[in-house]
Amino acid sequence: DAGVIQSPRHEVTEMGQEVTLRCKPISGHDYLFWYRQTMMRGLELLIYFNNNVPIDDSGMPEDRFSAKMPNASFSTLKIQPSEPRDSAVYFCASSLKTGVVTDTQYFGPGTRLTVL
Amino acid sequence: DQQVKQNSPSLSVQEGRISILNCDYTNSMFDYFLWYKKYPAEGPTFLISISSIKDKNEDGRFTVFLNKSAKHLSLHIVPSQPGDSAVYFCAAFLGGGDKIIFGKGTRLHILP
Repeated sequence: DAGVIQSPRHEVTEMGQEVTLRCKPISGHDYLFWYRQTMMRGLELLIYFNNNVPIDDSGMPEDRFSAKMPNASFSTLKIQPSEPRDSAVYFCASSLKTGVVTDTQYFGPGTRLTVL
Repeated sequence: DQQVKQNSPSLSVQEGRISILNCDYTNSMFDYFLWYKKYPAEGPTFLISISSIKDKNEDGRFTVFLNKSAKHLSLHIVPSQPGDSAVYFCAAFLGGGDKIIFGKGTRLHILP
């Protein structure tokens, strides 16, 4: 398996523009997670899905952030409009099933977002 | 309010010596703990875990210790190798839930 795939790997945009980050989870995984990593706050969970349904979006910082999972093999995280403080590395992760102690999350390589 | 705390942003250890990374947590309901390792330009990868019913789990050079009364866990790497230089994230998991709460990470430098 290719693992979790994220695109783009790097994104540089200007303040006010819309940004869309993409993720393809590992085939067969039931859960998909979006994280944001910053120096100040470390690794924060933004939202996660179970079987394509959003379960908890309490980590989404503002209404400017939205995430969708139209099918089991694809998810997007959108920021509209983007702001400089959104600059971070965004990770997508998937797992077969949580709530079971042997399950772990598999992370993608991340998207480094820079908003000028 | 951080529920999982890694108070040392960085740590330098001589190659061949023991590396000890520490983690504190505030929620006594956490019942499973994990360590992830992250290299630059890559996503975190799972390293080792421990259930709250245990106080030690060992996997090769890596050992995790859990002290529930102190709400503290630590990762020991013996002996430390150059390839261990990375950021290490401590994480905790609430039983019956789906979310993992991560700490901010500790950057480990293994010195030659």
